[in-house]
Amino acid sequence: DAGVTQSPTHLIKTRGQHVTLRCSPISGHKSVSWYQQVLGQGPQFIFQYYEKEERGRGNFPDRFSARQFPNYSSELNVNALLLGDSALYLCASSLKRTDTQYFGPGTRLTVL
Amino acid sequence: AQSVTQPDIHITVSEGASLELRCNYSYGATPYLFWYVQSPGQGLQLLLKYFSGDTLVQGIKGFEAEFKRSQSSFNLRKPSVHWSDAAEYFCAVGGEYGGATNKLIFGTGTLLAVQP
Repeated sequence: DAGVTQSPTHLIKTRGQHVTLRCSPISGHKSVSWYQQVLGQGPQFIFQYYEKEERGRGNFPDRFSARQFPNYSSELNVNALLLGDSALYLCASSLKRTDTQYFGPGTRLTVL
Repeated sequence: AQSVTQPDIHITVSEGASLELRCNYSYGATPYLFWYVQSPGQGLQLLLKYFSGDTLVQGIKGFEAEFKRSQSSFNLRKPSVHWSDAAEYFCAVGGEYGGATNKLIFGTGTLLAVQP
């Protein structure tokens, strides 16, 4: 069975641009969560979506938004990119909201 | 406040030696506890988890961890380390807390180096 997939693998943007990252959960999983991992740190929670509704949000500015589609895939959008947004963005899926989260390989975003 | 502390930033062990990585947590309810491993430039792979029941949990790749409620700890152990175990290890806590979502709170990680 395929695991969590994310696209693109790498992305380079300049300050002020916006970016869209995509995630496909493990088949049958209905919950998707997004995390930001800055170099040298542990992942930080951004959002959780379950059954297409936002169920939780971390301490991130409104420039960050996300959505979940009827097939449970998800997009993370970041507007007005800052240098500090450079990070590995990880998507995790779980069967239900409180189940074990399984992570994808991540998208490496570099903001110049 | 909910938090996870991994006191050791970097650990070096010899191949074949035993390993223990420390993790302490602060959580306002019964915690769900996890250990993940991350190879350079990769995502996180689940090693093991504790939800309830037996406080000694077995994971993949020969790892185990013990939940000690009195010490708020969930230390990861392996009796004999292999060179392929070199990676960064993250402890995380999660679960329903005050009705909040199941976000995972991660420690800052422990980077494991294995010398021949």
